[in-house]
Amino acid sequence: EADIYQTPRYLVIGTGKKITLECSQTMGHDKMYWYQQDPGMELHLIHYSYGVNSTEKGDLSSESTVSRIRTEHFPLTLESARPSHTSQYLCASSESDQSSPLHFGNGTRLTVT
Amino acid sequence: GQNIDQPTEMTATEGAIVQINCTYQTSGFNGLFWYQQHAGEAPTFLSYNVLDGLEEKGRFSSFLSRSKGYSYLLLKELQMKDSASYLCAVLDSNYQLIWGAGTKLIIKP
Repeated sequence: EADIYQTPRYLVIGTGKKITLECSQTMGHDKMYWYQQDPGMELHLIHYSYGVNSTEKGDLSSESTVSRIRTEHFPLTLESARPSHTSQYLCASSESDQSSPLHFGNGTRLTVT
Repeated sequence: GQNIDQPTEMTATEGAIVQINCTYQTSGFNGLFWYQQHAGEAPTFLSYNVLDGLEEKGRFSSFLSRSKGYSYLLLKELQMKDSASYLCAVLDSNYQLIWGAGTKLIIKP
């Protein structure tokens, strides 16, 4: 049973549209992350948060924004979707201890036409 | 730059043993994780090593040598359900996770 939820699971959208990918977790974790993953490639960190009202940029943050108003919710917004945004987006959370493993959601597969 | 190397793909036979290697060059080291990811699914945590040596967890074991920048994941008594990608990730000096591209393991009957 998943404790971290992502919606939608699949999304096909046209170029230029604004989209928000949702992520919620019920484990009370302070740390949350957004990753982008292409087939056969490493995970790339987009944004992360260490708690409410705390957000930091990762390697691929320039075309997206996040917010952390509540502990359990960490949405990712693309202001203007482009075909290069076509990818799998994974949300994850972890406890505060640095050695704590990440718990991942099932991902959102985004296709921008 | 920071780098993690894993073989792209490996094939093994059901019931056999397979070792998946991971070498890393990172700015500092604060631990190494292994995750399993089935096709179309989320990665799931397998193991965490921060000290040298072997950690055993059922059919899966993980080894770390910090002096060599090297780890391996050992899978015994392979089952068809072990067909998946195995991701190696290192916590660097800033406690940022550096990910490898993953090793796709194919199990044949």
